[in-house]
Amino acid sequence: GDSVTQMEGPVTLSEEAFLTINCTYTATGYPSLFWYVQYPGEGLQLLLKATKADDKGSNKGFEATYRKETTSFHLEKGSVQVSDSAVYFCALRGDSGAGSYQLTFGKGTKLSVIP
Amino acid sequence: DTAVSQTPKYLVTQMGNDKSIKCEQNLGHDTMYWYKQDSKKFLKIMFSYNNKELIINETVPNRFSPKSPDKAHLNLHINSLELGDSAVYFCASSQGYLNTEAFFGQGTRLTVV
Repeated sequence: GDSVTQMEGPVTLSEEAFLTINCTYTATGYPSLFWYVQYPGEGLQLLLKATKADDKGSNKGFEATYRKETTSFHLEKGSVQVSDSAVYFCALRGDSGAGSYQLTFGKGTKLSVIP
Repeated sequence: DTAVSQTPKYLVTQMGNDKSIKCEQNLGHDTMYWYKQDSKKFLKIMFSYNNKELIINETVPNRFSPKSPDKAHLNLHINSLELGDSAVYFCASSQGYLNTEAFFGQGTRLTVV
């Protein structure tokens, strides 16, 4: 079945540091890939997405590129802020088969940014 | 207007009780979901419901049952609550299943004592 593996957290960075959160996936066909963010005490919000190979999703200074050759969708940001402190989830949605409309999530990576 | 709303936000109850969590979406979506988030923040799909087709994660105990009175609602009923059911439960919805994002509610924190 589909699966998502993302780097273990927690990750602690100083403000303005560079962020990378690794995400790799296993899926048949051509899944869509997502990054969701969960701020403290809130539900998940879509941060960015990519629907086909080589697509780059971007939002709020975050970027991720859909790399089919390496089955990866790493999240990056050039300069993090304290307000970026949250839990980040990589997810995929399959493109075929029963239940393919279910999102499969990674285990989440907690990011803490200190001033 | 809240797109996906869940009630209650917090629920504390004793072992053995039966409880329900309600979910409503006003986005006109045709697919709704329930996820369980454990203490380590791991999100696990419990159910998805699309045009009256229910898909159940086989690891979900049959004490959990979803009820969908209409396309905009997917409620979660839990019988004979156990300590291990304590978690945050998220409802979500999406339109179709290809290339679309899911919209999440704010979650219901269930504590079983």
